[in-house]
Amino acid sequence: EVQLVESGGGLVQPGRSLKLSCAASGFTFSDYYMAWVRQAPTKGLEWVASISYDGGSTYYRDSVKGRFTISRDNAKSSLYLQMDSLRSEDTATYYCTGAAGGWFAYWGQGTLVTVSS
Amino acid sequence: DVVLTQTPVAQPVTLGDQASISCRSSQSLVHSNGNTYLEWYLQKPGQSPQLLIYKVSNRFSGVPDRFIGSGSGSDFTLKISRVEPEDLGVYYCFQATHDPFTFGSGTKLEIK
Repeated sequence: EVQLVESGGGLVQPGRSLKLSCAASGFTFSDYYMAWVRQAPTKGLEWVASISYDGGSTYYRDSVKGRFTISRDNAKSSLYLQMDSLRSEDTATYYCTGAAGGWFAYWGQGTLVTVSS
Repeated sequence: DVVLTQTPVAQPVTLGDQASISCRSSQSLVHSNGNTYLEWYLQKPGQSPQLLIYKVSNRFSGVPDRFIGSGSGSDFTLKISRVEPEDLGVYYCFQATHDPFTFGSGTKLEIK
């Protein structure tokens, strides 16, 4: 059974950093593109960043470019999102996702990030 | 950025009836490689979203054949025949043809 388990969310002050992790199991992690998708409270879905199988290619939405870094460790079957210079508008539940057919075929349960002073 | 406009915003349905959701794109979603990367997701109350349809009309593993995706270019539709209670929630279309990838704003399927 495919499982994606996020961790690392919490309350953080504006301008500070946070690193999210996602532990994957039940599939060959290195065979899949991975991504982070977020959802602000009571709002819709927003793609944040994607990473290729080996981590050699990364893609970001404009609003996080230069502040967020997506990475992966295939040996540990883990996905990461380093978030720097956080803003109030980054407040959201962050989902770890894996691509299979569709870009977001597999989803974690999400981890809530709240940026507030 | 590509804007995906979903209509209606809310779709009241009677269980057992058919529902239809439209997704219109501000640009053609035909990629230079010939594929059309239009997908549909369902987010049930209190749950993570789930993939229903990819590349316009391909059902993801385990998705019932009551869910039918169709369309081309910039005009797409998701039809749900014989709506069941577990189909209720918010449906999102999504495009991965153009960078940045974008979602529609969602359509809430609810009981009439």
